[in-house]
Amino acid sequence: IAGITQAPTSQILAAGRRMTLRCTQDMRHNAMYWYRQDLGLGLRLIHYSNTAGTTGKGEVPDGYSVSRANTDDFPLTLASAVPSQTSVYFCASSDKTTGELFFGEGSRLTVL
Amino acid sequence: GQNIDQPTEMTATEGAIVQINCTYQTSGFNGLFWYQQHAGEAPTFLSYNVLDGLEEKGRFSSFLSRSKGYSYLLLKELQMKDSASYLCAVRDSNYQLIWGAGTKLIIKP
Repeated sequence: IAGITQAPTSQILAAGRRMTLRCTQDMRHNAMYWYRQDLGLGLRLIHYSNTAGTTGKGEVPDGYSVSRANTDDFPLTLASAVPSQTSVYFCASSDKTTGELFFGEGSRLTVL
Repeated sequence: GQNIDQPTEMTATEGAIVQINCTYQTSGFNGLFWYQQHAGEAPTFLSYNVLDGLEEKGRFSSFLSRSKGYSYLLLKELQMKDSASYLCAVRDSNYQLIWGAGTKLIIKP
C-alpha cells in the first residue's frame, strides 16, 4: 500500500521559475491538504480540498495554487518561486471517520 | 488568535518516563491529536483525544482537559528510537487543524 506519494522529494530552483509539486493518494480519502514546515514553526496549511472539484485557502496561500480534478491527485503549483518559499512541503489526506491525517514523505524545496 | 504552546526541546534518559505538555487557545474544539515526527521524515499519528481523560496505547498515553485547554503525552520505558519531535494539533470549530511548533525529544543512554 503506497498511501501518499509526493514528487519530487527534493528540488532546487531559481527564483522566478514555475514549479509543481505532485501528490497522489490511493486511500480514496476525500480531503487532502498541503502544508509547509519551517524550522521553529508548526505545520502551516497552504491549501486544502474537502472533495474532488473543490479547493480552499489555508493560513498561507499567497504565491501558491492547487487543483483537484479527481480524488487521487492534488498538485501544488508555485507560479513564480521566491526564496521565502524555501521549505519542506507535506501533502496529506484525512480519514473521514477519525480525522487522522496521513502524510506523504515530503518535498524539500530550495529557491535561490 | 489561535495558539498552541509546547516546550521546544526536552531531554530524558533511556528507560525513564517523560511528559510532554501542550496548552491551546483555539476558536472551538473538535479534538486534539499527537503526532510523532522523526528527523527528515513525515509526521505519523500517535493519538486522538476528544473527551476529557486519559487514553492509553502501549507505552504512550495522552491526556486531555478541555476546561483547562491542556493535554499531555506520556511516554514510558523510553527507547532510543523515541528520539523525535512530537507535534500537538487541535481541530478547531471549522474542523481545521492548528499545529504547535513541536517538541524535540532527545533520549540519552
